[in-house]
Amino acid sequence: QQKVQQSPESLIVPEGAMTSLNCTFSDSASQYFAWYRQHSGKAPKALMSIFSNGEKEEGRFTIHLNKASLHFSLHIRDSQPSDSALYLCAEDTNAYKVIFGKGTHLHVLP
Amino acid sequence: GALVYQYPRRTICKSGTSMRMECQAVGFQATSVAWYRQSPQKTFELIALSTVNSAIKYEQNFTQEKFPISHPNLSFSSMTVLNAYLEDRGLYLCGARGGTGGYEQYFGPGTRLTVL
Repeated sequence: QQKVQQSPESLIVPEGAMTSLNCTFSDSASQYFAWYRQHSGKAPKALMSIFSNGEKEEGRFTIHLNKASLHFSLHIRDSQPSDSALYLCAEDTNAYKVIFGKGTHLHVLP
Repeated sequence: GALVYQYPRRTICKSGTSMRMECQAVGFQATSVAWYRQSPQKTFELIALSTVNSAIKYEQNFTQEKFPISHPNLSFSSMTVLNAYLEDRGLYLCGARGGTGGYEQYFGPGTRLTVL
């Protein structure tokens, strides 16, 4: 059964810090990997996605994918209080089925 | 833009009764709709996936008998929680994909189910 594991479960960082969130998945054949962000009381929303090994940067956010080690990570530079949310790692092994991890609760202290 | 609406946003039902929730995709044609349950204990569980021109596929621990789903067209899906009990409490999220969105899944705000 496909599994997506996230760590840590919860993270508290000061404003301005570098934040790193980690995810391991179970199937190297997965085609699509994404980080979703869910603010309290809101719907999850896709933050960034990647299809192949490597790195992708968008503003303060960078994602790394390493299929060989089944590892996927999200890094937030200069973390802001507005980044506080639940971050969900997502894996898709085919065109339609998306599996999510348990999530990491990030709290950025002002 | 792509939007997903869910109704109702919150609902309370007595233990042993059933309730129905709806999901509407606006601004795109949803080629697949996935229903998830988010709870403090078990986090984000995929209940079932409904794809156009394909049978609805339920995940382990979820059955059609308990969570019947209807996906009559590309923009609408509904799911019923039959015979609800305390362990069915949580936020039920609908995620839809399709159109130009490709792989991205657009979520509705969820239906929060409380079982008394």
